[in-house]
Amino acid sequence: ETGVTQTPRHLVMGMTNKKSLKCEQHLGHNAMYWYKQSAKKPLELMFVYSLEERVENNSVPSRFSPECPNSSHLFLHLHTLQPEDSALYLCASSQRTGGTGELFFGEGSRLTVL
Amino acid sequence: GDSVTQMEGPVTLSEEAFLTINCTYTATGYPSLFWYVQYPGEGLQLLLKATKADDKGSNKGFEATYRKETTSFHLEKGSVQVSDSAVYFCALSAPPGAGGTSYGKLTFGQGTILTVHP
Repeated sequence: ETGVTQTPRHLVMGMTNKKSLKCEQHLGHNAMYWYKQSAKKPLELMFVYSLEERVENNSVPSRFSPECPNSSHLFLHLHTLQPEDSALYLCASSQRTGGTGELFFGEGSRLTVL
Repeated sequence: GDSVTQMEGPVTLSEEAFLTINCTYTATGYPSLFWYVQYPGEGLQLLLKATKADDKGSNKGFEATYRKETTSFHLEKGSVQVSDSAVYFCALSAPPGAGGTSYGKLTFGQGTILTVHP
């Protein structure tokens, strides 16, 4: 496999469920990102892991919990979500140094919270 | 802080029409500039990029020139096709260390929806 792979592509969950989104990159990059894309809103950077340093957007609710066990894998753990959390969640990776800063995106996980 | 402003959409064109999507930016230093495209049901794909002033990025018939004097990076295509229908995002990348970050931060515009009719 090449590029950035996200699973599942579609997820429907109730507000009391616990689920996780998974992302894997095969590009040898050392930074990974979670973005949220909601209808009619700009892309929102949620979390960054860069060389194992986590940077987060302070406006992200604690019901979203990231995990980055190594430079190739990134998870987003979801619990007690709200309907307004329904969105497309995009994972991306980049090379922290030596590159031009471009991001490589996965195809996204479409989340629907009932 | 850094910001990217794109022209308001949606943009609707007939096939073979000329396309321009305006993008202007505000940034300190010398950012890299990008255009990403998102086709329906997919993630974002890099369309083209430019890393320094007067560079021209090009791909699939699309072009954009890095204009530092006007802080712009407008996207153009001479003859659009139905298959170009998508959402287009302009973005800039500040290098690691800029603004106190340890990573290259990418700032996106709000996106412009393009629909091309046969």
